[in-house]
Amino acid sequence: GPKVLQIPSHQIIDMGQMVTLNCDPVSNHLYFYWYKQILGQQMEFLVNFYNGKVMEKSKLFKDQFSVERPDGSYFTLKIQPTALEDSAVYFCASSPSTGGEQYFGPGTRLTVL
Amino acid sequence: GQQVQQSPASLVLQEGENAELQCNFSTSLNSMQWFYQRPGGSLVSLFYNPSGTKHSGRLTSTTVIKERRSSLHISSSQTTDSGTYLCALGRNNRIFFGDGTQLVVKP
Repeated sequence: GPKVLQIPSHQIIDMGQMVTLNCDPVSNHLYFYWYKQILGQQMEFLVNFYNGKVMEKSKLFKDQFSVERPDGSYFTLKIQPTALEDSAVYFCASSPSTGGEQYFGPGTRLTVL
Repeated sequence: GQQVQQSPASLVLQEGENAELQCNFSTSLNSMQWFYQRPGGSLVSLFYNPSGTKHSGRLTSTTVIKERRSSLHISSSQTTDSGTYLCALGRNNRIFFGDGTQLVVKP
């Protein structure tokens, strides 16, 4: 079936540094999402993105977070600067339409030291 | 409050037994998905089932919108079915996940 790829699979970074998480969504999908799962906790919505713009974001999407997809390349989540509480697995998803099935990537495990 | 409630929180079965996992939701929905989350964390999509009944091998998903519930039935469980099962309600272009059901199937 359709696959979403995420790069890297793991990232270890010192607190205060910048990190960029990359997502390669399904090729003909138009809607993109990021979710965050802290170890042992519930998966939670961060943000959705369509037509070059953030449509909706949750309270977890702090000011230090930003997303973009320049010219059809990777859909990225940037955190600048990182904080200890940003340690989690970040999942990217994409869907062909609003309200439709979302296809998830394997996640990027981010550890902030 | 919690929009998606899963039950039971955990379940232990002997191999060969059947399992019924429940998901109840408190709002309207655009979609309902079931996932299996591997111990390493990656997600396996089991069903996209906004309404009605779908089958895939030993798995069956049934979503009844007017009763605000969805279920996942696993028949003839196997040890490899052990893991976390997540239901996910899609609404207003975001997904709300439940806390999951931790399934352990003993040989």
